[in-house]
Amino acid sequence: NAGVTQTPKFQVLKTGQSMTLQCAQDMNHEYMSWYRQDPGMGLRLIHYSVGAGITDQGEVPNGYNVSRSTTEDFPLRLLSAAPSQTSVYFCASRELGNSPLHFGNGTRLTVT
Amino acid sequence: EDKVVQSPLSLVVHEGDTVTLNCSYEVTNFRSLLWYKQEKKAPTFLFMLTSSGIEKKSGRLSSILDKKELFSILNITATQTGDSAIYLCAAARLNYGGSQGNLIFGKGTKLSVKP
Repeated sequence: NAGVTQTPKFQVLKTGQSMTLQCAQDMNHEYMSWYRQDPGMGLRLIHYSVGAGITDQGEVPNGYNVSRSTTEDFPLRLLSAAPSQTSVYFCASRELGNSPLHFGNGTRLTVT
Repeated sequence: EDKVVQSPLSLVVHEGDTVTLNCSYEVTNFRSLLWYKQEKKAPTFLFMLTSSGIEKKSGRLSSILDKKELFSILNITATQTGDSAIYLCAAARLNYGGSQGNLIFGKGTKLSVKP
């Protein structure tokens, strides 16, 4: 049971570099989302999607882009990394309707 | 602004103790409340509560929701060192059409259980 798979597990970037965090799920979930987790701040929603071709902004979308070309994949792009984007990033998915989120194991990103 | 507040933020107990974690919420068009346990990696789902006064149980863990007073509690009895984790509470809005909206998370309660 793979569930939600995130790659890479760790990444170090220099300010201004770009990169893509990968997220894939094998549960055929329509809803997918990206959160960041910072000490003392809890989990904050970056972007989410309710199906292929549909994305929307969450609470903290600035500096991030997403796309959803397939049901399985929901990559998160950092366009020009900044030290403020140092965080742990979680991808999560669920069925539409009233159901719990299933989380990936996270990507720890450091921007120097 | 919608918000979820957890208390205490951290708690240290000894094995065998019973603990109660609190979660209050102010969410427009509230739909459901969820509890997660986070050890070193991904948060894992514990409970989803949608109705007031109905206790959900799983082993030594139980939770209940009060929609009138806008809070939920998570109880852990006979705590073990393996219960050490961050416990996250999240509230979901009700979207137009009746579907569940995005989750709003509290900052979590860090529980440490000493042997």
